[in-house]
Amino acid sequence: DIQMTQSPSTLSAFVGDRVTITCRASQAISTWVAWYQQKPGKAPKLLIHKAVNLESGVPSRFNGSGSGTEFTLTISRLLPDDSASYYCQHYSNYAWTFGPGTKVEIK
Amino acid sequence: QVQLVQSGAEVKKPGASVKVSCKTSGYSFKTFGISWVRQAPGQGLEWMGWINTYNGRPNYAHKFRDRVTLTTDTSTFTAYVEIRSLKFDDTATYFCARESPRSSYGMDVWGQGTTVFVSS
Repeated sequence: DIQMTQSPSTLSAFVGDRVTITCRASQAISTWVAWYQQKPGKAPKLLIHKAVNLESGVPSRFNGSGSGTEFTLTISRLLPDDSASYYCQHYSNYAWTFGPGTKVEIK
Repeated sequence: QVQLVQSGAEVKKPGASVKVSCKTSGYSFKTFGISWVRQAPGQGLEWMGWINTYNGRPNYAHKFRDRVTLTTDTSTFTAYVEIRSLKFDDTATYFCARESPRSSYGMDVWGQGTTVFVSS
């Protein structure tokens, strides 16, 4: 089975900062990665699909990149509303695997 | 609008079973598969399984293959997850989510979550 890891597990940044979260797969997975945002007590929200595609309605300050085994989610200018946990997810043949998550805090 | 509305919180004893429902509306039920994802308190997201709403065929994560059953009722546009032989560490919030080919099989719409608490 393919394993997904994320780094860092927690990050703290100032409003306006550029923030990058990295997700790595245990083997090459092309671009079959999605990114989700989850706020406490809420369901996750799809941000990015197929590594680079912004889901409809998601602000353009969110950007996804990568292929193969390394993927990144970048928030270009951090806003207070971006305080949340972020998860990468791999899809293959109607099976999905989540990364362990990254908690983003505002300083 | 597209909605997935889940059944209410449950409290169960170890060894019991629980069945959580996910009622969909606002789209063609058979066009999008449904996944179930759970989240233990303070932990990350864990994919449990997916069901093809067109033909009712499920695909389970290895970990859940023996104790979980996914079903659908196409007459009410509802998906279900049943978990048998509940253990204390099944205490979690269970989410249903629609899988969308238009979003590269990302989960684009989610239910609000159902908390299942396993306690003696």
